[in-house]
Amino acid sequence: SQTIHQWPATLVQPVGSPLSLECTVEGTSNPNLYWYRQAAGRGLQLLFYSVGIGQISSEVPQNLSASRPQDRQFILSSKKLLLSDSGFYLCAWSIQDGGEQFFGPGTRLTVL
Amino acid sequence: TQLLEQSPQFLSIQEGENLTVYCNSSSVFSSLQWYRQEPGEGPVLLVTVVTGGEVKKLKRLTFQFGDARKDSSLHITAAQPGDTGLYLCAGAPMDTGRRALTFGSGTRLQVQP
Repeated sequence: SQTIHQWPATLVQPVGSPLSLECTVEGTSNPNLYWYRQAAGRGLQLLFYSVGIGQISSEVPQNLSASRPQDRQFILSSKKLLLSDSGFYLCAWSIQDGGEQFFGPGTRLTVL
Repeated sequence: TQLLEQSPQFLSIQEGENLTVYCNSSSVFSSLQWYRQEPGEGPVLLVTVVTGGEVKKLKRLTFQFGDARKDSSLHITAAQPGDTGLYLCAGAPMDTGRRALTFGSGTRLQVQP
């Protein structure tokens, strides 16, 4: 069966510090991968999605970046965090475009 | 402007009551999905509706896809505290060529015992 892992579960970082969030998927090959950010009690904002290794599409301009160094690994990064980067970050995968998405447990990021 | 508008944004009801959540758009979707998310966790898929006018039932939950495939509704009968959570609709609009799902803003449901 397929599983998706995210770490860390929670993170508190000072403004201006770097960020690296990791997501890995097991049990499937060549998945579509997604990074979302969610404000408290609200919907999901798509940040990045990837249909293959090294292929990244960015949805919104921001100081975040994403990379996909391996088929089932998706990394969200920042060189300098802003207060507005605080939120709940979710990684997800799907078999096909527009298909059911399976979400990881999320990372709660607080920037102080 | 939100591509998928959900209403109401927040709903607090007593156990045993019925409720309906709406998901509306001006775009046509090949399918729409409904997810439920509990605090501190990722969303989990409840159902996918594909055909215009389709009705799907999942125990006390009834999902309907509009005839024109621009809207959907979720009706819960005799709500229970376990139904509490954030309900999200999502879909890939057909007229944008967008490959990723667009999520609605969500409806937060609280069922009081």
